Amino acid sequence: DTGVSQDPRHKITKRGQNVTFRCDPISEHNRLYWYRQTLGQGPEFLTYFQNEAQLEKSRLLSDRFSAERPKGSFSTLEIQRTEQGDSAMYLCASSFGQVSGNTIYFGEGSWLTVV
Amino acid sequence: DQQVKQNSPSLSVQEGRISILNCDYTNSMFDYFLWYKKYPAEGPTFLISISSIKDKNEDGRFTVFLNKSAKHLSLHIVPSQPGDSAVYFCAAYGNKLVFGAGTILRVKS
Repeated sequence: DTGVSQDPRHKITKRGQNVTFRCDPISEHNRLYWYRQTLGQGPEFLTYFQNEAQLEKSRLLSDRFSAERPKGSFSTLEIQRTEQGDSAMYLCASSFGQVSGNTIYFGEGSWLTVV
Repeated sequence: DQQVKQNSPSLSVQEGRISILNCDYTNSMFDYFLWYKKYPAEGPTFLISISSIKDKNEDGRFTVFLNKSAKHLSLHIVPSQPGDSAVYFCAAYGNKLVFGAGTILRVKS
């Protein structure tokens, strides 16, 4: 499968614990995006990378959230001291270059439940 | 500030008929628009896109229309099939991809 891969697909954690999600983009794609989706809403932009550089971060990304893409390939999204409001689906996507004329492809998502 | 709006939370259509999903946007800087389909517990799947320099793009049963003056786009599915039942998201790109809240499409057989 050469699509965007996310791991784990599901994570249940206790409030206050740290969690980390991994994303492996489509191999030739240089842009990688993180989105969050809650029930009844569309995906909300969190951050994106071009190669290893993090170019934009949403205000939604509090200081408990950190994302990295150390070698310009896979990326990790870490949430520290999780809160119940962090429960959502975290989506990773990738594209080659800018979106205009180039589609963003999404992974299957990682479900987070904070209890 | 909701820059991309899908005002119909749900739509029900008979199999074989046309499904029309609508989307409005407010930001005139958006220059590329995409439609995604999403099943529960899965990521969005790309369907079709359109550049702001065009007013129509067709791919099989799916056609997207763009009316820039009205800041409106629509997705037509003809003929609708039960397997089309899913949530459809409209998305617009300026410097990042902004999504609407989605429309649930139910195609009845």
